[in-house]
Amino acid sequence: KQEVTQIPAALSVPEGENLVLNCSFTDSAIYNLQWFRQDPGKGLTSLLLIQSSQREQTSGRLNASLDKSSGRSTLYIAASQPGDSATYLCAVNDYKLSFGAGTTVTVRA
Amino acid sequence: GAGVSQSPSNKVTEKGKDVELRCDPISGHTALYWYRQSLGQGLEFLIYFQGNSAPDKSGLPSDRFSAERTGGSVSTLTIQRTQQEDSAVYLCASSPRTSPRQYFGPGTRLTVL
Repeated sequence: KQEVTQIPAALSVPEGENLVLNCSFTDSAIYNLQWFRQDPGKGLTSLLLIQSSQREQTSGRLNASLDKSSGRSTLYIAASQPGDSATYLCAVNDYKLSFGAGTTVTVRA
Repeated sequence: GAGVSQSPSNKVTEKGKDVELRCDPISGHTALYWYRQSLGQGLEFLIYFQGNSAPDKSGLPSDRFSAERTGGSVSTLTIQRTQQEDSAVYLCASSPRTSPRQYFGPGTRLTVL
């Protein structure tokens, strides 16, 4: 069974600082990895999908990398803003998603 | 275009009652998924549909849970004889044939009293 871990569980940074969110998984034979954002009381917003043949994906201030051999993915958010405050979840996407517990980010103005 | 929609947004029911939760996927998406999010268990997979067929029901926690999908579109998740441990947010997602990327609806918050 795929186990997905996200460290740290919570993170608080001042506005403008770069964010680094970590995700690790136990089975390196994954198909894809997806990063999501969840705001309190809301559903999940898909941020980035990295397919297994790719090493990274970028969208605006977001960049996600994937290292299958070490079982890790990292989400970088550049120049954080208070609006980036949310819970970020990674999920191994082998048609069904196996989620980590998430990292709750607070960006202080 | 329209995203995934779910109804109702909130449902409060009494223990022992049956409930039905509805999901309308993004138009044209062939795959549909149900997940559950609870405080103790995090986000967990329930069932996967490809068209109207459910090749993976492995996440359904008991035989009180069932789901169907009709016309390759709308899906209904039914929970019979609800228990307090069924209280959770039920999330639906869909994905197109051409990509594994899943798009989620806003969820249905179920509270069993």
